[in-house]
Formats: sequence, structure tokens, C-alpha cells
Amino acid sequence: DGGITQSPKYLFRKEGQNVTLSCEQNLNHDAMYWYRQDPGQGLRLIYYSQIVNDFQKGDIAEGYSVSREKKESFPLTVTSAQKNPTAFYLCASKGGVTNTGELFFGEGSRLTVL
Amino acid sequence: GNSVTQMEGPVTLSEEAFLTINCTYTATGYPSLFWYVQYPGEGLQLLLKATKADDKGSNKGFEATYRKETTSFHLEKGSVQVSDSAVYFCAAVTQGGSEKLVFGKGTKLTVNP
Repeated sequence: DGGITQSPKYLFRKEGQNVTLSCEQNLNHDAMYWYRQDPGQGLRLIYYSQIVNDFQKGDIAEGYSVSREKKESFPLTVTSAQKNPTAFYLCASKGGVTNTGELFFGEGSRLTVL
Repeated sequence: GNSVTQMEGPVTLSEEAFLTINCTYTATGYPSLFWYVQYPGEGLQLLLKATKADDKGSNKGFEATYRKETTSFHLEKGSVQVSDSAVYFCAAVTQGGSEKLVFGKGTKLTVNP
């Protein structure tokens, strides 16, 4: 079945450490997105990529980095520069000839900084 | 750019009650509109969508009508179930440019037996 796979589902890190969240899709979508979700604040866009080897900052990119070397993969690194990294992270993709703008989401990764 | 405002929660209902969650949008052009649902600990799932004025999206007993005159896309269900307990997000996107999907802040619904 086609879909988006995020890993790990739960991740704990000590302060000062970088961590990388994986996002893989087999939907053949061109565009991929990373969102951060905090209680009561909805979804905030971190980075997005509309095509391989290209990506743009979203609304809250500081302290994060991404790469898009393959169409299927869009990993997110949470660096030690991110002041408050504890959150639920969601990856999404968009594409297909019949797409009307909707995003397809993974199951999310919950990061906790100890 | 686009923006979406939806009813703040939380909303608590008894089983079989009528549900309305309000959503209004501000957008350039004519956006496509969506409702997503998020069950505890999971990602978002598309619940329904409408791509032009007067379209009605429907799924699993939920409905929403794209009202251009009031720039609204309110979510309704005639009889909610305990299994409908989740967070609901309204979203909008204008196709054709580099516009990104914009979400409301989410409304948490709890349905009690």
C-alpha cells in the first residue's frame, strides 16, 4: 500500500544533541512538508520541498535543517539550536495529476528533550 | 496569503447530538477547502473536501458546504458517536501558485456515551 512512513514514532534526546527524523513516501509525490504540532497551536510549517534538490523555509525554520536528495525521502534534523524542540512532528506529501491540493500525512514522530 | 479561522474548543457532546464546527477563510482567488481529522497519537487524515463554491463534501456522516458568499466551510454531523472524538482541522489552499495549505488551530471534540 502507498503511504508515508515516519520513524521513529517516539524519540528522546538530551539537550545539546542533534536528532534526525525520517520521512519516506512511496506515493510518487513531488512535494513534501514538515510540520510541528504543539498543544493548542495547530500545525506550523517548518520546511517544505516542491522538487528534489530544492527546499524552502516555512514559518518556523530556525533550529531545523532538511535535505531532499531523493524524491522519496525528506529527513528533518532538529539541531541543538532549536530552543524548545519537544513537540509532535508531522511529515506530509502532495502530488498526483488529480490532486486538488490536499496533503497526505504520516503517523507522526514525538520528540521529547530530557 | 490565505488564513483560516475555526471555532475554538474544546467541544463536548453527548452521543447522538448534532455537531457544528465553524470555519471561515480568507483567501486570494478561489481556494480548495478541506477538513482533516486527527485521532489521539496519530497523523491527520483527510475527512472531506470541496474545490468550488456550493460544492458539498461528505464522508462518514460528516458534511461541509463551500459558501463563497460567507467565506465559510462549516463542518456538521447529525448524530455524533463516541468514535468521532478527535481533533478536527479546517484548511485552505489556492492552487496554481506556490501557495501552501493553511490550517486552522484545530477543534477538539469529545463525545460522551
